[in-house]
Amino acid sequence: DIVLTQSPTTLSVTPGETVSLSCRASHSIGTNLHWYQQKTNESPRLLIKYASQSISGIPSRFSASGSGTDFTLNINNVEFDDVSSYFCQQTQSWPNTFGAGTKLELK
Amino acid sequence: EVQLVESGGGLVQPGRSLKLSCAASGFTFSDYAMAWVRQAPKKGLEWVATIIYDGSSTYYRDSVKGRFTISRDNAKSTLYLQMDSLRSEDTATYYCARPWYDGTYYYWYFDFWGPGTMVTVSS
Repeated sequence: DIVLTQSPTTLSVTPGETVSLSCRASHSIGTNLHWYQQKTNESPRLLIKYASQSISGIPSRFSASGSGTDFTLNINNVEFDDVSSYFCQQTQSWPNTFGAGTKLELK
Repeated sequence: EVQLVESGGGLVQPGRSLKLSCAASGFTFSDYAMAWVRQAPKKGLEWVATIIYDGSSTYYRDSVKGRFTISRDNAKSTLYLQMDSLRSEDTATYYCARPWYDGTYYYWYFDFWGPGTMVTVSS
C-alpha cells in the first residue's frame, strides 16, 4: 500500500498568516493526490483534486502543488473558519489511502 | 442538491453483524460508483469498499475482505454495507461517499460525503 505522511501533525497559526501543509507519498503517485478539509464533527469536504486543480466553491486562498512524492497545500491569509483537519488522499493505486491528517489551530 | 444520508449504525457485540444503508438523492444514482469510508475515533480516514455503478464489480480493503459486503439497489437509490464478524477495530464513523464521474470516466476522489453513522463494536 502507498503510505502518505502528512506534516506537521498540528499547526498553530495566527489569523492572516500563510501556511503550508505537507503530504509525502511512499512511492511516486504522479498528480493523483487530493486534499480534503474536515471540520470537527463534520464530514470531509473536497478542497483540491489532482494535486493542484481547484474545486468550484472553494475559496481562492486554498491552493496546492506537487507531483511524484511531495505535495503541498497552501492556505493564504488563514481565517477562523479554516480551523479544521486536512487530509490528503492518493488514487494512484488500490487501495486508495489517506494521510493521517494535519490539524490546523488558531493561536 | 446531492444528498447522502447514512443509517443503521449502533452498538454491536464482537462477532455480530450490522447492515448500514445510505440513501442517495439529487443525482442519477445508477450512473455513479459509490464507496464507504470510515474514520475511527480521533483517527484518519480509511477507505473500506467501492462498488461500480451497476454492482457488477466490488473492491475491498484487505482487513474487511470476506467479512463486509457492499451492495446497491439502484431502483431505491440506496447503497448498503453488510458487516459480519465485527471486531473492535471496526469501531468508526462510516461515511457513504461518491466518487466523481464526468459522464465518461470514473475518478476515485470523493466529491460528496454523507454525515456518517457511528458503529461501535464492544461487549
